[in-house]
Amino acid sequence: EVQLVESGGGLVQPGGSLRLSCAASGFTFNLHWMHWVRQVPGKGLVWVSRISGDGSSINYADSVKGRFTVSRDNAKNTVYLQMNSLRVEDTAVYFCLRNADSWGQGTLVTVSS
Amino acid sequence: DVLMTQSPLSLPVTLGQPASISCRSSQSLVSSDGNTYLNWFLQRPGQSPRRLIYRVSNRDSGVPDRFSGSGSGTDFTLKISRVEAEDVGVYYCMQGTRWPHTFGQGTKLEIK
Repeated sequence: EVQLVESGGGLVQPGGSLRLSCAASGFTFNLHWMHWVRQVPGKGLVWVSRISGDGSSINYADSVKGRFTVSRDNAKNTVYLQMNSLRVEDTAVYFCLRNADSWGQGTLVTVSS
Repeated sequence: DVLMTQSPLSLPVTLGQPASISCRSSQSLVSSDGNTYLNWFLQRPGQSPRRLIYRVSNRDSGVPDRFSGSGSGTDFTLKISRVEAEDVGVYYCMQGTRWPHTFGQGTKLEIK
């Protein structure tokens, strides 16, 4: 069974940083693209970033380019999202996905002073 | 970015009756590999989204056959043949053909 467990969310001040982690199990991790999608509570879904199985191909949404960095450690079956220069508008639940077929439970990031 | 437009945004349905959601994209979703990467998701209250349909018309494992997807190019539809209580939630279409992948605004299905 595919399992994705996000962690690392919390309250941070504008301009601050957080690193999200997503621990994966139940599948061959290095064969799959991994993605981050966010959702402002009560609102819609927005794709944030993706990374290929070997980490050689990475894409970001324009809204986070230059501030967020996605990476993965295939030995630990974990994907990360390093978020710097956080803004109030980055407040959202962040979901980790395997392709589009499996989602984690999400972790809430709140950017507020 | 590819704009995904769903309608209706609110869908009150009587139990046992059919339901239909439309999704239109601002560009063709046919990929260079010939596939059309159009997915449908259901997000139940308090839960993560769950994929129901991939590549327009393929049901994911465990998805009841009352759900069906159709369409091509820029025009797609999700149909529920007979709505059940567990179908309540927000339905999203999503394109995975072009980066950034994009979602529709969501359609909230409720029981009348």
